[in-house]
Amino acid sequence: SQQGEEDPQALSIQEGENATMNCSYKTSINNLQWYRQNSGRGLVHLILIRSNEREKHSGRLRVTLDTSKKSSSLLITASRAADTASYFCAAYSGAGSYQLTFGKGTKLSVIP
Amino acid sequence: SQTIHQWPATLVQPVGSPLSLECTVEGTSNPNLYWYRQAAGRGLQLLFYSVGIGQISSEVPQNLSASRPQDRQFILSSKKLLLSDSGFYLCASSSGRAMPNEQFFGPGTRLTVL
Repeated sequence: SQQGEEDPQALSIQEGENATMNCSYKTSINNLQWYRQNSGRGLVHLILIRSNEREKHSGRLRVTLDTSKKSSSLLITASRAADTASYFCAAYSGAGSYQLTFGKGTKLSVIP
Repeated sequence: SQTIHQWPATLVQPVGSPLSLECTVEGTSNPNLYWYRQAAGRGLQLLFYSVGIGQISSEVPQNLSASRPQDRQFILSSKKLLLSDSGFYLCASSSGRAMPNEQFFGPGTRLTVL
């Protein structure tokens, strides 16, 4: 079953604007992760937030986690054309799980 | 960090032909290894994962199989390809037995079955 569901499916913004993507999940998690995928390439891990954390920053990335609502958001500030990619949230399903379940992703287009 | 090698990058195969995709990992030992398939514009579907040599767990019944002959080698195979096997195949690796963390992905193989 699908653990993560991203929203929106597609997002188009101007360079310099902020981009916010949301993710909802179904079961309890140990951590939630965000990945980026450039077209036709492998995924790159961006950031991991643990279930006991509420917010985490990495450069221009800010991730929040609300375990009561089973949701997370990824904010990219001051977007650049190079941020154009698909973004996926993913989570392991429960204790002892090795299976990282991905959502369908948000396709972000940053227009120069 | 870990480096994942996959080859070939692209592959066009006729229906009914065999398949062998190879993945090797550098920068870690005793990793967990994964094969995913990604349909166009979609998320990733976990096909197989392995926590050790010779240990394979299958997530989706299908025309494919996986093997792990060495610690850092993971192979995806098929005896007879179907049209529905077309897709983008990704190998990934993670460490951390107690709580697996981030996964490192290879560049992927684009498979087209004609």
